[in-house]
Amino acid sequence: AQSVTQLGSHVSVSEGALVLLRCNYSSSVPPYLFWYVQYPNQGLQLLLKYTTGATLVKGINGFEAEFKKSETSFHLTKPSAHMSDAAEYFCAVFQNTGGFKTIFGAGTRLFVKA
Amino acid sequence: DGGITQSPKYLFRKEGQNVTLSCEQNLNHDAMYWYRQDPGQGLRLIYYSQIVNDFQKGDIAEGYSVSREKKESFPLTVTSAQKNPTAFYLCASSISMGVGTGELFFGEGSRLTVL
Repeated sequence: AQSVTQLGSHVSVSEGALVLLRCNYSSSVPPYLFWYVQYPNQGLQLLLKYTTGATLVKGINGFEAEFKKSETSFHLTKPSAHMSDAAEYFCAVFQNTGGFKTIFGAGTRLFVKA
Repeated sequence: DGGITQSPKYLFRKEGQNVTLSCEQNLNHDAMYWYRQDPGQGLRLIYYSQIVNDFQKGDIAEGYSVSREKKESFPLTVTSAQKNPTAFYLCASSISMGVGTGELFFGEGSRLTVL
């Protein structure tokens, strides 16, 4: 069965510091991978996605993620955190074989200190 | 602008009452979903629909019901049988479950509090 593990339910960084949010997945076939962001009391919005091709994916607001098949990872990074990045981030996996389903990680709440 | 509209944003109900959450989309998507979100638990799938007049149970369907009479609409009813209904409910859609990357488009959510 597929699963998604996000390491750290809470991550705190200083403004201007590197943001690194970790995501590992288990999948028997190459999946489609997503990062979604959720601001308080709002729905989720797509940050970036990996489908095929280049393994380094760039998203909105300066975020990027790298698909590493050998490590089954899809970590999210941003070189310099901004106060507006404070939100909850969800990693998700989708497979279109054997049942079309999106599996979400438990989420990582990012705090940005001034 | 195309998108998903959920209403109401906030809802308070007494125990034992059924409540219906509305979800409307104008993205012309075939597939629609309802998720429940609780702190620290991510998103859990309640029901999904691949096409009009068809829907399937997700992982936590007990105590919920849905209908899909129109492509644009996928209302969720939280019944009195749901033991712990207080939660944040998210409606989502995708182009189709069998085609594409599975990218989900979400509404703004409905927060239900049962008193």
